[in-house]
Amino acid sequence: NAGVTQTPKFRILKIGQSMTLQCTQDMNHNYMYWYRQDPGMGLKLIYYSVGAGITDKGEVPNGYNVSRSTTEDFPLRLELAAPSQTSVYFCASNQGGSGNTIYFGEGSWLTVV
Amino acid sequence: GQSLEQPSEVTAVEGAIVQINCTYQTSGFYGLSWYQQHDGGAPTFLSYNALDGLEETGRFSSFLSRSDSYGYLLLQELQMKDSASYFCALYNQGGKLIFGQGTELSVKP
Repeated sequence: NAGVTQTPKFRILKIGQSMTLQCTQDMNHNYMYWYRQDPGMGLKLIYYSVGAGITDKGEVPNGYNVSRSTTEDFPLRLELAAPSQTSVYFCASNQGGSGNTIYFGEGSWLTVV
Repeated sequence: GQSLEQPSEVTAVEGAIVQINCTYQTSGFYGLSWYQQHDGGAPTFLSYNALDGLEETGRFSSFLSRSDSYGYLLLQELQMKDSASYFCALYNQGGKLIFGQGTELSVKP
């Protein structure tokens, strides 16, 4: 049972490039989340989804896009990368209906230079 | 919107008890969660309060008072491995999970 899997783990991007962070969960969870965490700070919600075909903005959605075509996958797209997007990105999932036990991926370290 | 406040740092000695407080502002929510994060790692779930009162899980307990917009995480019999960041998070009716800024706990021998 893999849980929540994120790829890539590390990536360096040049300013203006685009990329997609992949997130897959094998727990048949309805709810999925993308967070970013800057050094020494808390997690900021970028986007979340309560089911396939449904996505909604979080606290810091600008510069990002998401899609949820299947229950398992929730990719995060960065368009026109900027140095301000240098951060650690975490994907998470939850069955929904309760804040009990939310599972996180291992994180993706992104540097924009 | 929603917001949560936690102390930025707490220091305690091994074997002691420490309480990490969390105050919040929200118009409605399902419950308050607590997470632990070691340097370079992913957050891991510790405890969740859907109702007012105390929830106990081994050495960790969490408390919620909706009337006071306040919760806390209590760690007993502190161990060196408990040195980490601790986050409270609000889970609201729409499925959104919003985190506080985190409290860095340092456990000294």
